[in-house]
Amino acid sequence: EIVMTQTPLSLPVTPGEPASISCRSSRSLLDSDDGNTYLDWYLQKPGQSAQLLIYTLSYRASGVPDRFSGSGSGTDFTLKISRVEAEDVGVYYCMQRLEWPITFGPGTRLEIK
Amino acid sequence: QVQLQQWGAGLLKPSETLSLACGVSGGSFSGYYWSWIRQPPGKGLEWIGEINHSGGANYNPSLKSRVIISVDTSKGQSSLKVTSLTAADTAVYYCASRDIAVVPAKEVWGQGTTVIVSS
Repeated sequence: EIVMTQTPLSLPVTPGEPASISCRSSRSLLDSDDGNTYLDWYLQKPGQSAQLLIYTLSYRASGVPDRFSGSGSGTDFTLKISRVEAEDVGVYYCMQRLEWPITFGPGTRLEIK
Repeated sequence: QVQLQQWGAGLLKPSETLSLACGVSGGSFSGYYWSWIRQPPGKGLEWIGEINHSGGANYNPSLKSRVIISVDTSKGQSSLKVTSLTAADTAVYYCASRDIAVVPAKEVWGQGTTVIVSS
């Protein structure tokens, strides 16, 4: 199975400042058949279900603010928050859906300084 | 606001079978993928399996022989069965569904069901 790793595991951020989370996969997530890279990002706020932020590398899901962006290629990916707000606290997970079993990264906990 | 409503028993004994279901509430939603994910206490997310709107299912090999996922697209519902439960199956179980026919894609999650396996 494809193994996902994330850095850092904990991220203290001052409101209004940018934040960046890295994710790495053990194999390329590029689908050579259709050219898509199947990497998604989720946020699980405290006490809540997870919510989809970014799908297929860089597409913002419905209702997601444009301060969230996804980028990367092959095996290295980044989620960026241009200006962190208090409501962004929680655990961020990357997830690959190139092949089964779908696998998640261990999560990055974002907290407000 | 469209969401998934989950139901099913949450306190079970070892060797018993877990049966959960979820369905669309609050509006119209056409899920292409229906996924089940679980989260052990204090841990991260683990994918259990998923089924598409045509009924094609895939499961995590770590659970494969014990899991069945089904979908009824006409009702907007999915169900999960996990047999031969052990304490290691204790977790919050979530269902999720993604509509990829709209741009941008929309995904909705259930509220989660706490499942405790204990004698």
